[in-house]
Amino acid sequence: GNSVTQMEGPVTLSEEAFLTINCTYTATGYPSLFWYVQYPGEGLQLLLKATKADDKGSNKGFEATYRKETTSFHLEKGSVQVSDSAVYFCALGTSGTYKYIFGTGTRLKVLA
Amino acid sequence: KAGVTQTPRYLIKTRGQQVTLSCSPISGHRSVSWYQQTPGQGLQFLFEYFSETQRNKGNFPGRFSGRQFSNSRSEMNVSTLELGDSALYLCASSRPEEGGGISPLHFGNGTRLTVT
Repeated sequence: GNSVTQMEGPVTLSEEAFLTINCTYTATGYPSLFWYVQYPGEGLQLLLKATKADDKGSNKGFEATYRKETTSFHLEKGSVQVSDSAVYFCALGTSGTYKYIFGTGTRLKVLA
Repeated sequence: KAGVTQTPRYLIKTRGQQVTLSCSPISGHRSVSWYQQTPGQGLQFLFEYFSETQRNKGNFPGRFSGRQFSNSRSEMNVSTLELGDSALYLCASSRPEEGGGISPLHFGNGTRLTVT
């Protein structure tokens, strides 16, 4: 079945450091890929998405490229801020299933 | 535009009781999904509804049920509560993507259920 694997957290970085959170997936067909972010006490918010191979999603300085050859969708940001501290979830969805598969989440803590 | 609204935000129940959670989707969104979030299992899919029809269901026991009304609002019910049902229950809505692609989910802030 479909699955998503994320790197274990927590990830602790200093402000302005470079961020990478790894995400790989297994899926039949052609999934769409997403990154969601969850702040304390809130639900998940869509951060970015990519719907086909080689697409790059970007938002708020975050980027991720849909790599079909390596079945990966790694999240990157060039310079993190304290306000980026949150839990990040990689997810995939496939047409006709009406459900998403989520990774286990990676907690990011950014220190001033 | 109002977001997804879930009520109540917090619930405390005892084992054996039942509970009903409510979700109002974003206006115009006809698909509503429910997920259970726990520290150990992450986000697990419960079910998805569209135009009052359940289109998919996750691997949860029959104690978990849901429904959707004609105005797209949805409820989920858990009967005979167990300690392991303690979790954050998230509702999400979506609208059809142009071209038939996968629609992003818009989540509410969840209902935190504690079973004692």
